[in-house]
Amino acid sequence: KNEVEQSPQNLTAQEGEFITINCSYSVGISALHWLQQHPGGGIVSLFMLSSGKKKHGRLIATINIQEKHSSLHITASHPRDSAVYICAVESLMYSGGGADGLTFGKGTHLIIQP
Amino acid sequence: DGGITQSPKYLFRKEGQNVTLSCEQNLNHDAMYWYRQDPGQGLRLIYYSQIVNDFQKGDIAEGYSVSREKKESFPLTVTSAQKNPTAFYLCASSIPAGLIYGYTFGSGTRLTVV
Repeated sequence: KNEVEQSPQNLTAQEGEFITINCSYSVGISALHWLQQHPGGGIVSLFMLSSGKKKHGRLIATINIQEKHSSLHITASHPRDSAVYICAVESLMYSGGGADGLTFGKGTHLIIQP
Repeated sequence: DGGITQSPKYLFRKEGQNVTLSCEQNLNHDAMYWYRQDPGQGLRLIYYSQIVNDFQKGDIAEGYSVSREKKESFPLTVTSAQKNPTAFYLCASSIPAGLIYGYTFGSGTRLTVV
């Protein structure tokens, strides 16, 4: 089964700082998702990537397929960015996936202080 | 726009009562999934269905039941046999197409049993 590691587990930063959250996986994938979950709230899909880079507002996601690594960046961070960020990878079917082919990271808990 | 609807977002029930969580998708996806999230832990697979009228247990199926009578709907019942039902529940769907899963996520339901 694909192993997904996120780092850091917890991150506290000051408003305005540039934030980077990392996700590494062990087996080839077809896609990688970045999800956001505010405290006590629901899940919001931020990005789905299979290659390269995507940008939405102050959020940027990159993926390096050869290195099996993805990063989520937040520019000009704001207290409303405080949330848990979850990486989820879709393993290539019949290769490295569980019954559902999807493996979640444990999440990165981000706190942005004013 | 196509997507997955989970309702309600927050649900409260008394201990010993069965409760059914709704998940509806209009993406024409064949496969649907239910995950559970406990505080500080990653998401774990409860049940999945790859086709109508068929479903399989995931990693933590005990105390749960599902049905898949329609392609669009995959309700999850949390029974009184589930010892710790308070958790966040996430529904997802996928195509799959060829070797690719192509996941879409709902926003989740937070269940509190008192």
